[in-house]
Amino acid sequence: TQLLEQSPQFLSIQEGENLTVYCNSSSVFSSLQWYRQEPGEGPVLLVTVVTGGEVKKLKRLTFQFGDARKDSSLHITAAQPGDTGLYLCAGVDPNAGGTSYGKLTFGQGTILTVHP
Amino acid sequence: GAGVSQSPSNKVTEKGKDVELRCDPISGHTALYWYRQSLGQGLEFLIYFQGNSAPDKSGLPSDRFSAERTGGSVSTLTIQRTQQEDSAVYLCASSLGVVSTDTQYFGPGTRLTVL
Repeated sequence: TQLLEQSPQFLSIQEGENLTVYCNSSSVFSSLQWYRQEPGEGPVLLVTVVTGGEVKKLKRLTFQFGDARKDSSLHITAAQPGDTGLYLCAGVDPNAGGTSYGKLTFGQGTILTVHP
Repeated sequence: GAGVSQSPSNKVTEKGKDVELRCDPISGHTALYWYRQSLGQGLEFLIYFQGNSAPDKSGLPSDRFSAERTGGSVSTLTIQRTQQEDSAVYLCASSLGVVSTDTQYFGPGTRLTVL
């Protein structure tokens, strides 16, 4: 069972376009994280959202946590080739027991390609 | 002061051989995690350590997989009798503690190819 469903799986756009990536679940998460990963490297944390309805901005990236804390979105404004990479959402498994704090469940990722 | 390091960066092995993958976490980080990533996909949790103990081994795919951590620092993931389906990138991460919002810092991974 996939706890976190990401969409779309692939996204190919031109420089300057806007895009949104979605991360959905039927489970409530105490927090959700977004990572960006480039080839040959490990994921790098972009943001953690904790409060339902929370919106966080990181330059041209806007992250939103759903009111019910079951979904999140990442919106990129005026995408640039440097935004190309694999974007991953992740959260602590809500069904994890007391010994599993910090164990992350990942979505399958969105591969973003921004063409010059 | 360096980040998480992993070695080797690439490993090619023959089916049936044993392999050892190493992770050096950030100094002072008590929590250490192993994940597996298939090509262009999300990460799959394998095991995590708090200090030298492993409270959660639930993600290890089979008894061919084992891991240990010594001195609260370096960790080794061992895969015995490797199979082709073990081919993946194995990522290690460390965090200061195990609170759910503690940032996990990832290493660059070891790309394992089983022929």
